[in-house]
Amino acid sequence: ETGVTQSPTHLIKTRGQQVTLRCSSQSGHNTVSWYQQALGQGPQFIFQYYREEENGRGNFPPRFSGLQFPNYSSELNVNALELDDSALYLCASSLYIRPTDTQYFGPGTRLTVL
Amino acid sequence: AQSVTQPDIHITVSEGASLELRCNYSYGATPYLFWYVQSPGQGLQLLLKYFSGDTLVQGIKGFEAEFKRSQSSFNLRKPSVHWSDAAEYFCAVLISNDYKLSFGAGTTVTVRA
Repeated sequence: ETGVTQSPTHLIKTRGQQVTLRCSSQSGHNTVSWYQQALGQGPQFIFQYYREEENGRGNFPPRFSGLQFPNYSSELNVNALELDDSALYLCASSLYIRPTDTQYFGPGTRLTVL
Repeated sequence: AQSVTQPDIHITVSEGASLELRCNYSYGATPYLFWYVQSPGQGLQLLLKYFSGDTLVQGIKGFEAEFKRSQSSFNLRKPSVHWSDAAEYFCAVLISNDYKLSFGAGTTVTVRA
């Protein structure tokens, strides 16, 4: 069983640019959630996708968007980057959307916005 | 307001000593409760979780946690700490009709020889 992987590991962008982060879920996992972890803070929920449909969204603006694909991969897109978007972005996959389904986290993508 | 609080930002403990990390939550009902560990450059790894039943939960790496409804707490413990336990620890909650994990701010654990 493969774990959750994310790419790239690190990324540097400038303010106003757009970025796409990628996540590969564990095979068979129908749910992917994305979290933003600012330095020194706990992860904050961005949104969740279940079977390619958005299932819930946290307190993030529309310039944060996502996609989930049938091959268990997913993307987080951020438009019009701001300095405060600098953070570690984590994806987590789970089998379904039940609260008892464990969320397995990837190692994250460290985004720096200059 | 709903929240998860980890009162200790940083704890230093000697190798072989016991460790206790505090977590308090403020929600209307008993949430599902989790402890995750994050080592530098790593993602979050689930240590243990509580859904219902026995209030003392055993996890991986020798960790345990006790749910106390009256105190709205879910404290993590380890009887004897190893140097490899140095990491950041996050308490998280999930409401039964919700879909997202809500995390505390984390506690950084330093282990001294």
